[in-house]
Amino acid sequence: ETGVTQSPTHLIKTRGQQVTLRCSSQSGHNTVSWYQQALGQGPQFIFQYYREEENGRGNFPPRFSGLQFPNYSSELNVNALELDDSALYLCASSTGTSFSGELFFGEGSRLTVL
Amino acid sequence: DQQVKQNSPSLSVQEGRISILNCDYTNSMFDYFLWYKKYPAEGPTFLISISSIKDKNEDGRFTVFLNKSAKHLSLHIVPSQPGDSAVYFCAVPRTGNQFYFGTGTSLTVIP
Repeated sequence: ETGVTQSPTHLIKTRGQQVTLRCSSQSGHNTVSWYQQALGQGPQFIFQYYREEENGRGNFPPRFSGLQFPNYSSELNVNALELDDSALYLCASSTGTSFSGELFFGEGSRLTVL
Repeated sequence: DQQVKQNSPSLSVQEGRISILNCDYTNSMFDYFLWYKKYPAEGPTFLISISSIKDKNEDGRFTVFLNKSAKHLSLHIVPSQPGDSAVYFCAVPRTGNQFYFGTGTSLTVIP
C-alpha cells in the first residue's frame, strides 16, 4: 500500500511569485485535503477535493487554488506569494467526505517565502 | 477564531510516568474529538478518537477523556516512553472529514 507522497519537500520562493505543490493520495483514497501549518501553529484547513471538485474551503483567499486529477492526485497553487505564506503545507487523503476519523497525511512541503 | 485550544505549548515527563495533554473546545455541537501525533519531518498520524456520546476511550497506553460540561478533553499516556516524544494535536471535525486542529503540545519524555 502506497502512502501519501508530496513534492517538493522544500522550496524557496520570493514574494509575488507563484508556487505549485503536488500530492499523491494513498492507494484507494478518493479525497484529498490540504492544510497549512505555520510555525508554532496547528494545521489549518485550506480546502478539500472529492471526485475532482472542491468540497469545502477554509478561510483562505482565492489566490489559494487547487486541482484534483482523475487518479485522485492533487495540486495546491498559490499565486502572488506573501511572506506569511511561509509554512508547512500538508496533504491528507481519505475515502469519501463523511467523517471516518482518520486522515492519512504526507510529510509535507515546506515553503519559505523571502 | 480558534475552535480548539491547547494552552500548554510544551510538557516534559519522566519515562514511566503519566503524561496528560489537555484541549479545550468552544462548540458544544462537536460530535467527535481526535488526537493526532506528529514527529519532526513527518506528517501527523491519527492516534485515538472519542465520540461525544462517550466520556472515555482507551487504546493500550492511550486514554482520552471527554468532559462535555467543561468542553474539555484530555489525553493520558501511561506509562510514558521516550518514543512518545512528539507534538500532539487535538482536532474536531468542522464538517465530515475536514478538521479544526489545536496549536499542539510538544511532549518530551525524559529517559
